[in-house]
Amino acid sequence: EVQLVESGGGLVQPGASLKLSCVASGFTFSDYWMSWVRQTPGKTMEWIGDIKYDGSYTNYAPSLKNRFTISRDNAKSTLYLQMSNVRSEDTATYYCTRRGYYSADFDYWGQGVMVTVSS
Amino acid sequence: DVVMTQTPPSLSVAIGQSVSISCKSSQSLVYSDGKTYLHWLLQSPGRSPKRLIYQVSNLGSGVPDRFSGTGSQKDFTLKISRVEAEDLGVYYCAQTTHFPNTFGAGTKLELK
Repeated sequence: EVQLVESGGGLVQPGASLKLSCVASGFTFSDYWMSWVRQTPGKTMEWIGDIKYDGSYTNYAPSLKNRFTISRDNAKSTLYLQMSNVRSEDTATYYCTRRGYYSADFDYWGQGVMVTVSS
Repeated sequence: DVVMTQTPPSLSVAIGQSVSISCKSSQSLVYSDGKTYLHWLLQSPGRSPKRLIYQVSNLGSGVPDRFSGTGSQKDFTLKISRVEAEDLGVYYCAQTTHFPNTFGAGTKLELK
């Protein structure tokens, strides 16, 4: 069974940094592209970015590219999202997602982790 | 960015009724490989999103055949035949043809 389990969320002050993790199981992690998607309190869904199966390539939403970094450790089956200089508008639930091997959709989602940016 | 417009924003349905949700994109979603990367997701109350349909019309694993997807280019439809209680929640369309990938605002399916 595919499982994606995020962690690392919480309350963070504006301007601070935060690193989210997502541990994957139930599939060969190193075979799949992975993505982060966030959902605002108003339920708007926003794609953050992708990382290639071997970690050699990343792609980001232009509005987030300078502050967010996606990485992975295939030996640990773990995906990461490094968030820097966070703002109130980064308050959201962050989801780790697997990209479909041929379908290029978001075929599995984690349970999500909440990040609240507030002083 | 490609804008995904979903209508209606909400639907009130009775169990057993059939419904359709529309998703229109601001650009064609046909990729250079000839495939159309338009997908549908369902977020049940209190849950994370779940894949329903990928590439317009392909049902995800375990998705009942009461769900069907049609459309092409910029105009897509999700149809649910004989709605069941487990179908309630928010439906999102998403495109992964263009960067950045984008989502519709969602259609909330509620019980009448």
